[in-house]
Amino acid sequence: DAGVTQSPTHLIKTRGQQVTLRCSPKSGHDTVSWYQQALGQGPQFIFQYYEEEERQRGNFPDRFSGHQFPNYSSELNVNALLLGDSALYLCASSLSLQGVTGELFFGEGSRLTVL
Amino acid sequence: LAKTTQPISMDSYEGQEVNITCSHNNIATNDYITWYQQFPSQGPRFIIQGYKTKVTNEVASLFIPADRKSSTLSLPRVSLSDTAVYYCLVGDIQTGFQKLVFGTGTRLLVSP
Repeated sequence: DAGVTQSPTHLIKTRGQQVTLRCSPKSGHDTVSWYQQALGQGPQFIFQYYEEEERQRGNFPDRFSGHQFPNYSSELNVNALLLGDSALYLCASSLSLQGVTGELFFGEGSRLTVL
Repeated sequence: LAKTTQPISMDSYEGQEVNITCSHNNIATNDYITWYQQFPSQGPRFIIQGYKTKVTNEVASLFIPADRKSSTLSLPRVSLSDTAVYYCLVGDIQTGFQKLVFGTGTRLLVSP
């Protein structure tokens, strides 16, 4: 049973560019959340997708956008990259059923470096 | 969302029991307490979750007093591989659409 998979694992971009990160949730999971983790900090919630719609959003600008596909996989897009966007981007999947324990399954992350 | 406070770092030796306490004074009635473990350059990994009293699984125990304003993660007989960052999170997980808020976590260093 494959866990959460993310791609690419590492990438380097320059300021002003755009980036797309991809995530495949754990088998059977229908909800995907994205987190940004700067060096030495805890993960910060970006947004969450369920049924192809953004359900919740953290305190991130509109430059951060996402998408969820019918197969539950998801993409995170960041436009007009800033140096401060350099971070580990984590995808987490979960099951939306009410009453299910709130365990999130995280991927290994995509390390983005903005030069 | 309830804010959590936990020690920035802790040191221990192999074979010892480690207790990490988390303060969450503003915990809401529907909130659960969840602990995650994270190794460098990896995603966090679920350790344990509870609502009240005591919860135990194969890797840890979670103690929650009656007022639920704090909780303690207990790791029995730690090994070098338990060196990691431990996060305490509080949130309503029953809806399935939980938005977990991570703090800065507790960096545990286990020495030989």
